[in-house]
Amino acid sequence: DVKVTQSSRYLVKRTGEKVFLECVQDMDHENMFWYRQDPGLGLRLIYFSYDVKMKEKGDIPEGYSVSREKKERFSLILESASTNQTSMYLCASRGQVQETQYFGPGTRLLVL
Amino acid sequence: ELKVEQNPLFLSMQEGKNYTIYCNYSTTSDRLYWYRQDPGKSLESLFVLLSNGAVKQEGRLMASLDTKARLSTLHITAAVHDLSATYFCAVGYGGATNKLIFGTGTLLAVQP
Repeated sequence: DVKVTQSSRYLVKRTGEKVFLECVQDMDHENMFWYRQDPGLGLRLIYFSYDVKMKEKGDIPEGYSVSREKKERFSLILESASTNQTSMYLCASRGQVQETQYFGPGTRLLVL
Repeated sequence: ELKVEQNPLFLSMQEGKNYTIYCNYSTTSDRLYWYRQDPGKSLESLFVLLSNGAVKQEGRLMASLDTKARLSTLHITAAVHDLSATYFCAVGYGGATNKLIFGTGTLLAVQP
């Protein structure tokens, strides 16, 4: 079974803090994704990566950056957290093009 | 701009009844995915539909895809309480990158 893990289930941070969310997958997938999920808005793609050190912006990249130094690990960085970044963050990975994406358990981030 | 619309947004149904969730999308795609999300949990892949006329069934759920109408349906047969969850459809776009645009989800509550 594909396993996607995220470093934290819950995080509480202060406005202005730098926040790191980590995601690890164990299936040697090339593609990894970061989403945020908000009530009434569904899931929205923040960034994705199709190979080590390769990344592309998704639909809502503002205020976020990412890092992929190793194939199995994809990090989402909030350079200076703001209250409007309070959300559920979901990481996903995918192998072949048409395959489904496999999701991690999610990190619920609260920015005070 | 690719848009994905699900309806209904909320569905309350009695056990034993049948119902259909609809997923309409605004541009050409032949990749459609259905996911289930339980409260506080991550997304679980249900179906992958990759061609016009594709039909897949698992237990009491059946999904179909009509690419000409840009419509997918998720049919629930003889609902049981365990099917209570939020169901998302997602459409693949972007060629080889196969990013996903998600619908806003349908919250299904099956009442005894």
